[in-house]
Amino acid sequence: AQSVTQPDIHITVSEGASLELRCNYSYGATPYLFWYVQSPGQGLQLLLKYFSGDTLVQGIKGFEAEFKRSQSSFNLRKPSVHWSDAAEYFCAVGPNDYKLSFGAGTTVTVRA
Amino acid sequence: NAGVTQTPKFQVLKTGQSMTLQCAQDMNHNSMYWYRQDPGMGLRLIYYSASEGTTDKGEVPNGYNVSRLNKREFSLRLESAAPSQTSVYFCASSQTGEAFFGQGTRLTVV
Repeated sequence: AQSVTQPDIHITVSEGASLELRCNYSYGATPYLFWYVQSPGQGLQLLLKYFSGDTLVQGIKGFEAEFKRSQSSFNLRKPSVHWSDAAEYFCAVGPNDYKLSFGAGTTVTVRA
Repeated sequence: NAGVTQTPKFQVLKTGQSMTLQCAQDMNHNSMYWYRQDPGMGLRLIYYSASEGTTDKGEVPNGYNVSRLNKREFSLRLESAAPSQTSVYFCASSQTGEAFFGQGTRLTVV
């Protein structure tokens, strides 16, 4: 069975500071890994994805994530956070791009 | 380009009533799916359709039925709504590794 754990329910970060969101997954083979962002009242938007190849993945809005097979992790990072990055972030894993298991989400608050 | 369109955006039902949530995509995607989102639980897959004419159960299918009407449309039906089905429902479609989500339907069952 596949599953995702996002250990941090809520993170508060100052504008301009760095951000790292943790994601640990359980999956028997090489997974498809995703990070999505959801702004209040909106649907989910894909930030980045990993299928194979380079383990450091670049996404939209200045985000990147690193796949570490030995740690079963796919952590999301951004060097300098903007106020518009306040949102809820979801990590997801699956055998393909549709039969996904999502984590419970991490809410990011950005303080001025 | 509308992407994935869900209707309605909000709905209140009484226990035992039925309703159908509509979803349409204009991206010519093969795969479509329905998720529900509940606080602290992320998104859970209800049903999916890998291609036109096929549907399969996801993680939480009980109490729901789906119809893949054609390549564009994938509807979700609640035959007899229960308070436990109060949730935000998202439809999504994908083709090559990126899922596109609709804006969601906020359903309350009283």
